[in-house]
Amino acid sequence: GESVGLHLPTLSVQEGDNSIINCAYSNSASDYFIWYKQESGKGPQFIIDIRSNMDKRQGQRVTVLLNKTVKHLSLQIAATQPGDSAVYFCAEKDSGAGSYQLTFGKGTKLSVIP
Amino acid sequence: EPEVTQTPSHQVTQMGQEVILRCVPISNHLYFYWYRQILGQKVEFLVSFYNNEISEKSEIFDDQFSVERPDGSNFTLKIRSTKLEDSAMYFCASGRGTNYGYTFGSGTRLTVV
Repeated sequence: GESVGLHLPTLSVQEGDNSIINCAYSNSASDYFIWYKQESGKGPQFIIDIRSNMDKRQGQRVTVLLNKTVKHLSLQIAATQPGDSAVYFCAEKDSGAGSYQLTFGKGTKLSVIP
Repeated sequence: EPEVTQTPSHQVTQMGQEVILRCVPISNHLYFYWYRQILGQKVEFLVSFYNNEISEKSEIFDDQFSVERPDGSNFTLKIRSTKLEDSAMYFCASGRGTNYGYTFGSGTRLTVV
């Protein structure tokens, strides 16, 4: 079946630098995408989402970019802080009327070096 | 900020035993979900629940699994006869709609021995 995957399993950045986490998806029918942050021992925490009719969305210190042509999603974190250290997952949802589930990627571990 | 609450945080059970994992979704949410995450792996969809019935389920969610919303606040996942491979973190989530980000609980770590 089609799946969501991640280019980089681990990413180390210096505190204060910007981070970019990438995600490739293969389901062309996906119309809704979410980035989640998961800290050790906790559940996924919603960061930001984007619908397929957009190519960019900004939040507080985070930006999500969607390139539907190459089926690529990225999460940019500005001025990365130690508290940003976590595993980041992209997730996508099929546009089908009976589709409720999110399909998660494997995750990228972000380590922030103080 | 509203939270999804899951209990217990950790449950150890013997193979073949029944377990019930409990969740209290956010009160004004209408869509409820169970996901699981085997250690070191990605989060996997199990089931979604809307309007008091299952709306979608994955291949993982076989007839050993069931869900129930017994009252207006709780949402439970039952595994009738646990297997070793059921050991995982189980996350409950709830949402306002299908195209809104869900809110996940902190999970129940199920260990089957």
